[in-house]
Amino acid sequence: NAGVTQTPKFRVLKTGQSMTLLCAQDMNHEYMYWYRQDPGMGLRLIHYSVGEGTTAKGEVPDGYNVSRLKKQNFLLGLESAAPSQTSVYFCASSFRTGTNTGELFFGEGSRLTVL
Amino acid sequence: GQQVMQIPQYQHVQEGEDFTTYCNSSTTLSNIQWYKQRPGGHPVFLIQLVKSGEVKKQKRLTFQFGEAKKNSSLHITATQTTDVGTYFCAGPGDMLFGNEKLTFGTGTRLTIIP
Repeated sequence: NAGVTQTPKFRVLKTGQSMTLLCAQDMNHEYMYWYRQDPGMGLRLIHYSVGEGTTAKGEVPDGYNVSRLKKQNFLLGLESAAPSQTSVYFCASSFRTGTNTGELFFGEGSRLTVL
Repeated sequence: GQQVMQIPQYQHVQEGEDFTTYCNSSTTLSNIQWYKQRPGGHPVFLIQLVKSGEVKKQKRLTFQFGEAKKNSSLHITATQTTDVGTYFCAGPGDMLFGNEKLTFGTGTRLTIIP
């Protein structure tokens, strides 16, 4: 049981390049999330999805796009990378428990450097 | 928007000493979750608190949810080197539009002096 898998784990981009981070979960979770983590800033929510075909903005959505065409996958895209997007990106998924979000299961993270 | 603050940001303790981190929300929370992130690792779920005034224990860890459901604390008794890491609290982002979003606190980084 793989849980939450992120690819790639490391990537170096030049300013202006585009890329896509892939998150896959095999737990049949309804909710999926993309967070970024910067030193001293904690985890900040970029975008999230409550089900296949639906996405919503989080705290810091600018410069990112997402898609959830299949329930098990959540893609995070950077159309034109900027140095400010250098960060560690975490994908997470969870069940819905009643009206609340259940525990989040995180992937191992993707470290992105934009030069 | 909702803000979740944690104090202290850093804590250095001698092995065997106790440790406490505090979490404060600008809004009332329906529930609060706690996570631990080891250095170089990813956050791992510890516990969820739902009821006002709730207290839960996991071995040496004690979690509390405030009566007003706007604050929470994590207390570790007799710290060990395995407790090293950053502890985050997280609360639902929006009480009006559903609780799907989790807003994370800024975290408290715990280091242990052997």
